[in-house]
Amino acid sequence: KAGVTQTPRYLIKTRGQQVTLSCSPISGHRSVSWYQQTPGQGLQFLFEYFSETQRNKGNFPGRFSGRQFSNSRSEMNVSTLELGDSALYLCASSSGTKGVLGEAFFGQGTRLTVV
Amino acid sequence: AQSVAQPEDQVNVAEGNPLTVKCTYSVSGNPYLFWYVQYPNRGLQFLLKYITGDNLVKGSYGFEAEFNKSQTSFHLKKPSALVSDSALYFCAVRDDGSGNTPLVFGKGTRLSVIA
Repeated sequence: KAGVTQTPRYLIKTRGQQVTLSCSPISGHRSVSWYQQTPGQGLQFLFEYFSETQRNKGNFPGRFSGRQFSNSRSEMNVSTLELGDSALYLCASSSGTKGVLGEAFFGQGTRLTVV
Repeated sequence: AQSVAQPEDQVNVAEGNPLTVKCTYSVSGNPYLFWYVQYPNRGLQFLLKYITGDNLVKGSYGFEAEFNKSQTSFHLKKPSALVSDSALYFCAVRDDGSGNTPLVFGKGTRLSVIA
């Protein structure tokens, strides 16, 4: 069974640009969550999608957005990039069935560098 | 809102000695607790979880964790540390089983096992 796949693995962007990151969950998983990992802040929750609906949202500015498609694949978009957006962005999938708490499976992440 | 605290940024232990990585949590309902490990340049890997039942939970690679409701703690333990256990460890909590709250992580504890 293939794991969680995130593309691209590395990305360098300039301040002010926008970026789209992609995540393909494990087959059959309907929940996808996104996290931002930085050395000082650890893992900060961005958003969670379940069956194409945003189920939970973290405390990030509106420049950060996401969506989930009917095949459960998810994208997150960051507009008007700032230097502080440089981070490792991790995607996690889980079976996500309401009321059932399976563990989350993580991709290897996309390393975004804003210059 | 739920939160997790990992009070130690770094834990050093000699190989063969027992190790403990501390975690405390705050939730409004029933806690669902997880431990993950991250090796360099890798995504997070699931170690173990507590949903209900026995307070002592056994997981992968010889790790275990003890749920203590009165102290709101979920410390990770291993009787005999290996050099290969050196990694970044994250504790995480979800507030309930409804899916209406996200999985929230602590800032991580770096474990260094010295030969």
